[in-house]
Amino acid sequence: KQEVTQIPAALSVPEGENLVLNCSFTDSAIYNLQWFRQDPGKGLTSLLLIQSSQREQTSGRLNASLDKSSGRSTLYIAASQPGDSATYLCAVQTGANNLFFGTGTRLTVIP
Amino acid sequence: DGGITQSPKYLFRKEGQNVTLSCEQNLNHDAMYWYRQDPGQGLRLIYYSQIVNDFQKGDIAEGYSVSREKKESFPLTVTSAQKNPTAFYLCASSLARTVRWNEQYFGPGTRLTVT
Repeated sequence: KQEVTQIPAALSVPEGENLVLNCSFTDSAIYNLQWFRQDPGKGLTSLLLIQSSQREQTSGRLNASLDKSSGRSTLYIAASQPGDSATYLCAVQTGANNLFFGTGTRLTVIP
Repeated sequence: DGGITQSPKYLFRKEGQNVTLSCEQNLNHDAMYWYRQDPGQGLRLIYYSQIVNDFQKGDIAEGYSVSREKKESFPLTVTSAQKNPTAFYLCASSLARTVRWNEQYFGPGTRLTVT
């Protein structure tokens, strides 16, 4: 069964710093990988979706990469801001309705 | 505004009572999903529906039931048979036209507390 791991579980950085969040998965047979943001007590906001045939996707200050063969993805956040503070979740899709989630990385950007 | 709405935001129930969580979407999405989120765990799929009048069990369907009578609506009932119902419940939807682009969009969630 697919397992998704996100390390570290929590991360604190000073404002302005560039940072990388990591996601690894055990089964490389995926259709796509999604990165989500979740604010405390709120639903998930989709940030980026990378198809299995793609290597990376960019949206503003966010860049997500995918190395399917090694079972890894990274989310790069440039010039971090306090408003980026949230929990970031990655999820891999292995079937039409099978989306496996990691437990997330809680990011705190210190002003 | 297009989106997914869940109501209520907070729900409190006594043990032994059934409770229904609402999920509505106006995105014209075909597929809808219910997930449960517990502290320290990833989201887990409860039920999903790809078309009206059809739904399938997810990984943790025991103690839950759903219906899909309308494309826009996918209510979840938490029955008294669910052993640990206290959790944060998230509804999602997607176009589901192709698996590769099956991007899921989430509602704001309902926090259920059963005492």
